[in-house]
Amino acid sequence: SAVISQKPSRDICQRGTSLTIQCQVDSQVTMMFWYRQQPGQSLTLIATANQGSEATYESGFVIDKFPISRPNLTFSTLTVSNMSPEDSSIYLCSVRLQGAGTEAFFGQGTRLTVV
Amino acid sequence: ILNVEQSPQSLHVQEGDSTNFTCSFPSSNFYALHWYRWETAKSPEALFVMTLNGDEKKKGRISATLNTKEGYSYLYIKGSQPEDSATYLCAFHHLGLNNAGNMLTFGGGTRLMVKP
Repeated sequence: SAVISQKPSRDICQRGTSLTIQCQVDSQVTMMFWYRQQPGQSLTLIATANQGSEATYESGFVIDKFPISRPNLTFSTLTVSNMSPEDSSIYLCSVRLQGAGTEAFFGQGTRLTVV
Repeated sequence: ILNVEQSPQSLHVQEGDSTNFTCSFPSSNFYALHWYRWETAKSPEALFVMTLNGDEKKKGRISATLNTKEGYSYLYIKGSQPEDSATYLCAFHHLGLNNAGNMLTFGGGTRLMVKP
């Protein structure tokens, strides 16, 4: 299994500002992902965080809005830039371990409210 | 865009009732079907990862079945307890798309509330 520490757990931010969310894993993992759940919507993949290279973004998500860093195999950050109220969501960090089937492990999430 | 749907969206039951909900997913490019339980203010936790058509898995009072040919999975909870209250998510793991098929597509979830 993997233990994931994600912070902050929640924040209230002014529109136009940026927030960086951190994700720390207790073991080296190959696959690390960032998800978003907007109110009433499904959990949606934003991007795959790649160690040492640019993240791979899903359709509808761009690097300028959601820059991601992954300097090593245990740590990643997601920044939500130039926030608007539509960015109010729960953001989740997730990892999958090699050799552990395909089960995903999640952080506790960051509940973001943009006012 | 892959369509993964869960029904119902929400469910209120009395303690002791048994309940079930459905996840439907595409029947092509199937690799695995996941079920997660997500309690408020906690991390989603895996219940089951199912890969074989006809598979049935059980964990305590919770069980799940899988039909990959018709593209659905059922989750059953026997004798619901208040601590079962959570959102139950299914996720479809498919082959051949995006980064060698490592992507999970989630359904919208079923929110279960069990009244004492």
